[in-house]
Amino acid sequence: SQTIHQWPATLVQPVGSPLSLECTVEGTSNPNLYWYRQAAGRGLQLLFYSVGIGQISSEVPQNLSASRPQDRQFILSSKKLLLSDSGFYLCAWTGREGTEAFFGQGTRLTVV
Amino acid sequence: GESVGLHLPTLSVQEGDNSIINCAYSNSASDYFIWYKQESGKGPQFIIDIRSNMDKRQGQRVTVLLNKTVKHLSLQIAATQPGDSAVYFCAENDGGTSYGKLTFGQGTILTVHP
Repeated sequence: SQTIHQWPATLVQPVGSPLSLECTVEGTSNPNLYWYRQAAGRGLQLLFYSVGIGQISSEVPQNLSASRPQDRQFILSSKKLLLSDSGFYLCAWTGREGTEAFFGQGTRLTVV
Repeated sequence: GESVGLHLPTLSVQEGDNSIINCAYSNSASDYFIWYKQESGKGPQFIIDIRSNMDKRQGQRVTVLLNKTVKHLSLQIAATQPGDSAVYFCAENDGGTSYGKLTFGQGTILTVHP
């Protein structure tokens, strides 16, 4: 069966520090991968999606970047965090048809 | 489209009542829709889906209705239980694209009172 792992679960980082969140998927090949952000009490905002290794599409301009070094690995990064980067970050995958999305458990990021 | 900057609407019901959560979508090309349930501090979980060639689909205690004429989707939960308290999101797949990007709706906070 397919599983998706996302870590860490919580993270507190100072302003200006770098960020690296990792997401891996098991049990499937060639998934579409997504990074979403959710502010407290808000909806889900799509940040990045990827349809293949090295292929990244950005949905919104921001202080973050994403990379996909392997088929089932998706990384969210920042060189210098801002206070506004705080939020709940979710990784997700879908099949090639883009139907049902399966989510990781999320990372609660607090920038202080 | 997404309304990620707005506070989520809320729905409060009594245990045992039926709940109806609504969602409007804007892309007439969307051909696949999903409802997700998100409990506090967790990732969204799949509830039920429906394709655009259907008007209604039923699951266990849940029914999704799709009205393509007015671009409206609803989730009905029968005999709502306290464990149903969560945030509910609809999502649409913008059909015709080569990738499967899901666009999420605003979300609704459901609170079930015992």
